[in-house]
Amino acid sequence: EAGVTQFPSHSVIEKGQTVTLRCDPISGHDNLYWYRRVMGKEIKFLLHFVKESKQDESGMPNNRFLAERTGGTYSTLKVQPAELEDSGVYFCASSPRAGQFSSGTEAFFGQGTRLTVV
Amino acid sequence: GENVEQHPSTLSVQEGDSAVIKCTYSDSASNYFPWYKQELGKRPQLIIDIRSNVGEKKDQRIAVTLNKTAKHFSLHITETQPEDSAVYFCAAYTGFQKLVFGTGTRLLVSP
Repeated sequence: EAGVTQFPSHSVIEKGQTVTLRCDPISGHDNLYWYRRVMGKEIKFLLHFVKESKQDESGMPNNRFLAERTGGTYSTLKVQPAELEDSGVYFCASSPRAGQFSSGTEAFFGQGTRLTVV
Repeated sequence: GENVEQHPSTLSVQEGDSAVIKCTYSDSASNYFPWYKQELGKRPQLIIDIRSNVGEKKDQRIAVTLNKTAKHFSLHITETQPEDSAVYFCAAYTGFQKLVFGTGTRLLVSP
């Protein structure tokens, strides 16, 4: 079974440019999360999809960030225009949807996209 | 929303010693608490997890304990080895299936 894959693995862009990150979750996983890790610090929550719906986007820094998950499969995270402080490693994770009376399930991470804004 | 605090931020131990990392959470509806290990340049990977109906779980040298009343959970690693060196993250999974991570603990095990 294929794991969570992210593209690209690295991206270096200039301030003001646009970058789109892609995440392909494990097939059948309804939950898809985006996280960011800056300067080796915490794994900061950005947003959570359940299928194609945004369940929680409270972690999105500002309106320069736009995430989509068309058809409930892969997801994209667009940063436009990019700023220096957007640099970091962006992780995507997916997990199966827990049953109504069940607790959580293991989330599987992609390898991350290292974004550098210069 | 859920807030997860993790301590210490760094932990240095000698090989063979035990290491303990502690986390607290704020949302009483959280019901699943995984621990992830991230080695340098790699993706976070699950090492152990515990559900809210269990107080303790053990897997070889690692164990996790949960105190629901106090909203605390801890990771215990015994007989540490150099390959245990990594960043460890606790996490809490809320009733809305949102997964929130702690701030991470950098563990260094010296030979």
